[in-house]
Amino acid sequence: KQEVTQIPAALSVPEGENLVLNCSFTDSAIYNLQWFRQDPGKGLTSLLLIQSSQREQTSGRLNASLDKSSGRSTLYIAASQPGDSATYLCAVENSGYALNFGKGTSLLVTP
Amino acid sequence: EAGVTQFPSHSVIEKGQTVTLRCDPISGHDNLYWYRRVMGKEIKFLLHFVKESKQDESGMPNNRFLAERTGGTYSTLKVQPAELEDSGVYFCASSQAERKLFFGSGTQLSVL
Repeated sequence: KQEVTQIPAALSVPEGENLVLNCSFTDSAIYNLQWFRQDPGKGLTSLLLIQSSQREQTSGRLNASLDKSSGRSTLYIAASQPGDSATYLCAVENSGYALNFGKGTSLLVTP
Repeated sequence: EAGVTQFPSHSVIEKGQTVTLRCDPISGHDNLYWYRRVMGKEIKFLLHFVKESKQDESGMPNNRFLAERTGGTYSTLKVQPAELEDSGVYFCASSQAERKLFFGSGTQLSVL
């Protein structure tokens, strides 16, 4: 059974800082890993999807890495902005399309 | 292009009543998923449709939950009878073959 853990559970940083969110998973036989963002009262927005054969994906100020053998992924956010404040969720797909989610990291970027 | 829409956004019912949640996926998306987040827990998979067929319903909690997707378009998730532990946020998502998921805003279900 896949277990996904996200550390830290909450994070508060001043604007402009670079930051790293961590995700670990117990079963390395994954199909892909996705990072999502959720704003209060809203649905989840897919940020980055990394296939199992890939090591990283980048989109703007976001960079996600994947180390399948060690069961880890990191989401790097460069030059954080108050608009980045949200909950960030890591989700792993082993097979069959079902995603296994972590509990998320709640990020607050203060002006 | 319209995103995934869910109705209602909130529902408050009493234990023992029936509630039906609806999801309209993005047009053309054959894959439709239901997920649920119970307070304090992570988001959990409920089931997956490919067009009108249930591909995987391994996450459905019990037989009080019934999901349908008639004609391969919108989907409904019925809870009958509702119990207190069914409270949570129910998310619907859709995707094409590449598996990038698009989520709706969710239905907040409160069972009193």
